[in-house]
Amino acid sequence: DSGVTQTPKHLITATGQRVTLRCSPRSGDLSVYWYQQSLDQGLQFLIQYYNGEERAKGNILERFSAQQFPDLHSELNLSSLELGDSALYFCASSGFPSKGTQYFGPGTRLLVL
Amino acid sequence: AQKITQTQPGMFVQEKEAVTLDCTYDTSDPSYGLFWYKQPSSGEMIFLIYQGSYDQQNATEGRYSLNFQKARKSANLVISASQLGDSAMYFCAMNPVGGGSEKLVFGKGMKLTVNP
Repeated sequence: DSGVTQTPKHLITATGQRVTLRCSPRSGDLSVYWYQQSLDQGLQFLIQYYNGEERAKGNILERFSAQQFPDLHSELNLSSLELGDSALYFCASSGFPSKGTQYFGPGTRLLVL
Repeated sequence: AQKITQTQPGMFVQEKEAVTLDCTYDTSDPSYGLFWYKQPSSGEMIFLIYQGSYDQQNATEGRYSLNFQKARKSANLVISASQLGDSAMYFCAMNPVGGGSEKLVFGKGMKLTVNP
């Protein structure tokens, strides 16, 4: 158990819908990262938050947004969903500054029908 | 930009044997970290081992060791005494250190199958 929790574990929805994925980092970790894992793109970094502030953006679509709350949990919002958004979405957390080891949550498996 | 290359799509090893998983990288960052993660069929990403670019010694964590050759830009994972539970996908990853964001860049992964 990495100490990072993600909910829900599975999500099935229809095209055009909006969903919210939730992540709670390990106790004491200030950085939260979101990654997407799909068969064609592999594991890709989406966005990072540090202590409530956006710190870095990767290949995140404009239809996607995220935030980190004062209690350090984070939410990833996916809207106007398309079939191609079906993927495994991971949240990871790390202390900062640190050697950068990121511990991953169990992931949310999203299926868009 | 950083890049990780894992060229072995899959490997088979007998239980109790040692196995080496290859990883090469490319980066212009002066300081960086190298990581290996394991992803079993259940899907979670499990951190295995970390090597800092300025660490003098190769990292070891139990049965895992990282064979770091900086000049060759390689960071191979060595698993000693393979177990059936080691069957999984393995991902090599890296990130810059001190650059503001420590986002990980992953390789495509490789599948390890341990046979009894």
